[in-house]
Amino acid sequence: KNQVEQSPQSLIILEGKNCTLQCNYTVSPFSNLRWYKQDTGRGPVSLTIMTFSENTKSNGRYTATLDADTKQSSLHITASQLSDSASYICVVSATSGTYKYIFGTGTRLKVLA
Amino acid sequence: SQTIHQWPATLVQPVGSPLSLECTVEGTSNPNLYWYRQAAGRGLQLLFYSVGIGQISSEVPQNLSASRPQDRQFILSSKKLLLSDSGFYLCAWIPRLQDENTEAFFGQGTRLTVV
Repeated sequence: KNQVEQSPQSLIILEGKNCTLQCNYTVSPFSNLRWYKQDTGRGPVSLTIMTFSENTKSNGRYTATLDADTKQSSLHITASQLSDSASYICVVSATSGTYKYIFGTGTRLKVLA
Repeated sequence: SQTIHQWPATLVQPVGSPLSLECTVEGTSNPNLYWYRQAAGRGLQLLFYSVGIGQISSEVPQNLSASRPQDRQFILSSKKLLLSDSGFYLCAWIPRLQDENTEAFFGQGTRLTVV
């Protein structure tokens, strides 16, 4: 069964600190993995996309890693800001005719001043 | 530019009442369209997807139905809402021609509360 699991479920950090979010998946056949940021009551916004051959990709203060062998990904946020408070969702795309997206349950991040 | 409109933003409906959520895409043709639901504390779950007018595939058996009367219009409906239908509903579209870098675009979502 295609599944995407994320940890931790929630995280509270102080402004300026770094944090790392984890994503494990059992999706096959794998196409790509994305990290989305979802503000409360809004649609997800893509942060990074990684294909099978990519190990790391950065987008400003966000750096994603992918280990296709162990089927794990992480999202590292550097020097957190209050505006980083949101849910971060790992999404794995399966190549099954219509590129179905399998969403993780997300990590709710709260950055405190 | 491509845009996706989803409405209403919030909705409170009594149990047993009907539902109609509408999603409209602009700036593209022949998109694949999707309806997702996010229950409280849960991830997004794919409900329906459509690859063309009148073509609907359901991922999860449920109290809901979907229709695509026009190429750029995707409607989520229910004849009688249940309490368990409460959640955050997202419409998304993906270009018909896809590769491993294809992006999905999401609407702003509808917060449905069934009381």
